[in-house]
Amino acid sequence: DTGVSQDPRHKITKRGQNVTFRCDPISEHNRLYWYRQTLGQGPEFLTYFQNEAQLEKSRLLSDRFSAERPKGSFSTLEIQRTEQGDSAMYLCASSPGGGAGGYTFGSGTRLTVV
Amino acid sequence: ILNVEQSPQSLHVQEGDSTNFTCSFPSSNFYALHWYRWETAKSPEALFVMTLNGDEKKKGRISATLNTKEGYSYLYIKGSQPEDSATYLCAPPQAAGNKLTFGGGTRVLVKP
Repeated sequence: DTGVSQDPRHKITKRGQNVTFRCDPISEHNRLYWYRQTLGQGPEFLTYFQNEAQLEKSRLLSDRFSAERPKGSFSTLEIQRTEQGDSAMYLCASSPGGGAGGYTFGSGTRLTVV
Repeated sequence: ILNVEQSPQSLHVQEGDSTNFTCSFPSSNFYALHWYRWETAKSPEALFVMTLNGDEKKKGRISATLNTKEGYSYLYIKGSQPEDSATYLCAPPQAAGNKLTFGGGTRVLVKP
């Protein structure tokens, strides 16, 4: 296993367009998390899944954001009608169910909305 | 929402010097504390997961201590090297496998 993969690494989009990011977690990990990080801040929680079930979604997340993990393996994060404030690094992480160890993060997708 | 604070926000260290910085978190309902190192253009890397009051963990020249009663953890870098330059993040999970709440990070720059 090569760790957590995210695609694409970078995305530039025009305001108002929809974007979708993909995360492939470590195959044995049943928990998957999405975070967003803006300059000078720590990563901010967006949502997380146990297998295919979305267990929690941040109240800070607008209805323009949606995430899925249809077969309990890879996950997608979609942002509709992007705004300039959506520009950030989007990080995905996975962990085993017990959560006793540290989480494994991907390298992130850098989104720039112009 | 947990309030997690890290200080200082940034640190310039001369190569060879030792340094330390702090993570503060709520002491009530403590479960664990994670430390991560995030180098530019790479993914955050887990350094330590600490659970017991008085815990001290070490990885090479980096070590961390934990005080759950007063709600703080220190991370130490001994004999800093340029490759230690990174942002160091702490995060308590609210329960096993649950979401992490990150502090703002301490950005360390080691100057040769």
